[in-house]
This record gives sequence, C-alpha cells and structure tokens, in this order.
Amino acid sequence: GEDVEQSLFLSVREGDSSVINCTYTDSSSTYLYWYKQEPGAGLQLLTYIFSNMDMKQDQRLTVLLNKKDKHLSLRIADTQTGDSAIYFCAETLPSSSNTGKLIFGQGTTLQVKP
Amino acid sequence: EAGVTQFPSHSVIEKGQTVTLRCDPISGHDNLYWYRRVMGKEIKFLLHFVKESKQDESGMPNNRFLAERTGGTYSTLKVQPAELEDSGVYFCASSRPGGGSYFGPGTRLLVL
Repeated sequence: GEDVEQSLFLSVREGDSSVINCTYTDSSSTYLYWYKQEPGAGLQLLTYIFSNMDMKQDQRLTVLLNKKDKHLSLRIADTQTGDSAIYFCAETLPSSSNTGKLIFGQGTTLQVKP
Repeated sequence: EAGVTQFPSHSVIEKGQTVTLRCDPISGHDNLYWYRRVMGKEIKFLLHFVKESKQDESGMPNNRFLAERTGGTYSTLKVQPAELEDSGVYFCASSRPGGGSYFGPGTRLLVL
C-alpha cells in the first residue's frame, strides 16, 4: 500500500546536525523527495533521490536511502535557525511516475534553538 | 519566472457556504495538481489536470468538491456546501511533463 511515515517533531541546537527520518511501505517507489515548508509559505523542493541511489549530497544536505529497510533520511549539517520549518518526505510510484502524483508523509516539525 | 500563485491566502466560512479557490500555475506548465493537508496530517493528493483534462481525480473526497481548468491555464476548486471537515490547507502545484512539481503557498480554509 501507499504509506509514508515520519516522526512529528525534532528539536536541535543551532550548529548541531539534524536527522529527519522517513519510512515508506511501497518498495516500488521510483523517486523520493524532501520538501520544506516555512511558516506561511508553500512547499519548497529541497532535494530528491532516485530509488537506485544510496546517497545524495547537496551542500549541507545529505539524503540516505536504505531500500532494504524502506528508510529515507535527511541530514542537515550545521543546522541554522533559518532551517526551522516542516519537512515533508514524499514518494512517487511507478504507476504515477509519468503523472507526477506525490504521496506525502505527515511532516516533521524541526525546531532549531539558538 | 513567476511561481505558482493561489487565491485567497485565507478563507473563513460557515458550514453550508460555498468557497472557490483559485490556482495560477507557472506559465507553460501543462500539469496542475491540487493537494490538501488537514490539520497535522499528511498532504493528500486530490486531483491532477493535464492541460484542461482531468487525468486523475481519485483523491477527491466527495461530490461536494468540483475542480475545473477551463482553457488549460488557471484552475478553480469549489467546495459546495462546505463542511467542518473540509478545513485545512489546499495546495496547488504545477509541472512540465516529466519535471518536478512547484507548489504554491496554499489557501488556508477554515469552516466554522
């Protein structure tokens, strides 16, 4: 079935690393995404990973994919107060890879304390 | 290029009233999607247009929701009559074929 799960809340201190986790149930996922939503704003695509990759790094962001465990994580190095937001994990399935339909998790609220 | 825009940003209505949400996609994006996030839960897909045609409306909750995209440009999502459980944030997104989705800021709907 289509199910994406995330923990709801994470609090870190400024300068620490943040790790936001996501699990999904459908092993046929094609792409997995991380979106960021700042207060009052829309969803901003942070990064994505194709299902045949293990890791993707983009500046302070590192995405790790464990296909065996169906686990995706987003690591933010040197977390800043501006990183405070809701982070959504999302996937596309082969049936919807041509349509772009996204299946989202509940979102993880990241709180960064100065 | 201008991003996806949505109007209104907020709407407060009473149960039984009608509300119409509007989305203007990025120019040239044939794909247009509506999603909804009910308080604290996951963002759920509602429907997908390709140009003016409904490609997938499997996520529409019931027949109180009507989406249109006349002319293949902007889209409207009408809720009539609104119920309490319709409260949430309605997001619109657009994309080129095979491209990633760009989201609008959302419309926050509160039904009292």
